[in-house]
Amino acid sequence: DVKVTQSSRYLVKRTGEKVFLECVQDMDHENMFWYRQDPGLGLRLIYFSYDVKMKEKGDIPEGYSVSREKKERFSLILESASTNQTSMYLCASKFSSGANVLTFGAGSRLTVL
Amino acid sequence: QKEVEQDPGPLSVPEGAIVSLNCTYSNSAFQYFMWYRQYSRKGPELLMYTYSSGNKEDGRFTAQVDKSSKYISLFIRDSQPSDSATYLCAMKSQGAQKLVFGQGTRLTINP
Repeated sequence: DVKVTQSSRYLVKRTGEKVFLECVQDMDHENMFWYRQDPGLGLRLIYFSYDVKMKEKGDIPEGYSVSREKKERFSLILESASTNQTSMYLCASKFSSGANVLTFGAGSRLTVL
Repeated sequence: QKEVEQDPGPLSVPEGAIVSLNCTYSNSAFQYFMWYRQYSRKGPELLMYTYSSGNKEDGRFTAQVDKSSKYISLFIRDSQPSDSATYLCAMKSQGAQKLVFGQGTRLTINP
């Protein structure tokens, strides 16, 4: 019954490493989102995509990039990980019209040493 | 000032109590209001969804929207230890693709 799958639940990386976080949804949603969640700061939008190969910056895109080559897959890339990118990363998806309800994945906890 | 304000808590109440969780917002264009529940080490899941003003009830949960005051609430009746979680409010305006989230309130129900 899993609908939004984040491939890695826990990752530990070193400063300067390139990091890929993968997200796949099986609900045929047009829109996909990447958030990070930090204590005291809530959910902050990094990037979102409203269609294949389309992307828009969210509120905190610096240090991140994304890729959406297929409708069901949305990847978050940290080109050169830094310690301040240690966080919980949440992927979500929704239809572009209708109820506009987000469905979230279980999250990826990234630690950068 | 944040568009959506939510007291992060933590909030701790005894089992069986009525819980009130609240968010205020500044953007009068918001029309869609949601409450998400997030258990520890899990992603948020939709709990309640309301369009425009009014009340919506689902079992022990009631969502209220007061657009004139720019204030939304979630009430939990007969609270259970299984209700212990972080509750996030979220809202959006017509035509917008992005939701705006509150910080989340961490709630603990004590047996």
